[in-house]
Amino acid sequence: EVQLVESGGDLVQPGGSLRLSCAASGFSLGTYWMSWVRQAPGKGLEWVANIKHDGSDMYYVDSVRGRFTTSRDNSKNSLYLQMNSLRADDTAVYYCARVGPSVFGAFDYWGQGTLVTVSS
Amino acid sequence: DFQMTQSPSSLSASVGDRVTITCRASQRISNYLNWYQQKSGKAPKLLISGASSLQSGVPSRFSGSGSGTYFTLTITSLQPEDFATYYCQQSYGSVRSFGQGTRVEIK
Repeated sequence: EVQLVESGGDLVQPGGSLRLSCAASGFSLGTYWMSWVRQAPGKGLEWVANIKHDGSDMYYVDSVRGRFTTSRDNSKNSLYLQMNSLRADDTAVYYCARVGPSVFGAFDYWGQGTLVTVSS
Repeated sequence: DFQMTQSPSSLSASVGDRVTITCRASQRISNYLNWYQQKSGKAPKLLISGASSLQSGVPSRFSGSGSGTYFTLTITSLQPEDFATYYCQQSYGSVRSFGQGTRVEIK
């Protein structure tokens, strides 16, 4: 059974840093692109970042580029999101999602999410 | 970047109704369009990929169509468990994006 479990969400002050983790099981992480998607309280879904299966390519939404970095350790079945220079508008539930095997690249499995709150 | 616009933002419908949600892309995206359902407090669930391919286990009352810049998600005979928020998402570009969502409420 495919499972994705995020962790690391916390309350952090503006300007601070946080590292999220996503533990993958039930599939071979190293053969899939992975993504991060966030959802601010009461708002819609926002795609944050993608990372290629071998970690050689990453893409980011404009609002986090230069502040967030996604990485992966396939040997540890883990995905990471390093978030620096956090702002109040980064407050959200952060989901990791698997990019499915079809050419259409839909997010076929999602974690339960981890809450990041940026506030003083 | 590709902007995705859904309409309506919300709708009220009754059990048994036919419901159609539209999604427009700011540029042509062929059929690289996916639909998700999200219930309150839960992670999104993939319903349809490639504009019209129903995911395994998703009821056949859900269907998707479209290509280029205009797409639709249709639910025939709405069921109580279908009341949720629905999102379209483009996967044409390296930078992905979602529509703003359509909330389907009970009338």
